[in-house]
Amino acid sequence: SQTIHQWPATLVQPVGSPLSLECTVEGTSNPNLYWYRQAAGRGLQLLFYSVGIGQISSEVPQNLSASRPQDRQFILSSKKLLLSDSGFYLCAWSPDAWNEQFFGPGTRLTVL
Amino acid sequence: DAKTTQPPSMDCAEGRAANLPCNHSTISGNEYVYWYRQIHSQGPQYIIHGLKNNETNEMASLIITEDRKSSTLILPHATLRDTAVYYCIVRLPSSSNTGKLIFGQGTTLQVKP
Repeated sequence: SQTIHQWPATLVQPVGSPLSLECTVEGTSNPNLYWYRQAAGRGLQLLFYSVGIGQISSEVPQNLSASRPQDRQFILSSKKLLLSDSGFYLCAWSPDAWNEQFFGPGTRLTVL
Repeated sequence: DAKTTQPPSMDCAEGRAANLPCNHSTISGNEYVYWYRQIHSQGPQYIIHGLKNNETNEMASLIITEDRKSSTLILPHATLRDTAVYYCIVRLPSSSNTGKLIFGQGTTLQVKP
């Protein structure tokens, strides 16, 4: 069966510090991968998606970047965090564009 | 892009059916209606999806009107564990190669004992 992992589960970082969140998927190959952010009291916002290794599409201009160094690994990064980067970050995968997405447990990031 | 409109909140008594409405009046012919839910502090969970016909699975039923401008998610026997935010999503035509989902604000369903 397929599983999706995210770490860390929670993170508190100072403004201006770097960020690296990792997402890995097991039990499938060549998945579509997605990064979402949910700010406090708001809906999910799609940040990035990837249909293959090294293929990243950005949905909104922002302070973050994403990379896919391996087929089942998706990384969200920032060189300098802003207060507005605080939120609940969710990674998701789907076997293709037409099936449902499966979400990870999320990382709760607080920037102070 | 087809957008969805949902009531911000609803209550339901435990054991009763929960009927969650969604309007998607600008939906186009090849767009599917998806439902997800998000229990507090967890990632969203897929529930069901459909195009034209009504659909049923072990979690819920999806009723889509004939003109496809609205739909209703039905949880036949709501339990306290069904308390969550329910999102109705219409898949964008341009997402044919990416599977992107655009989440709105959803409906917060509170199941009460």
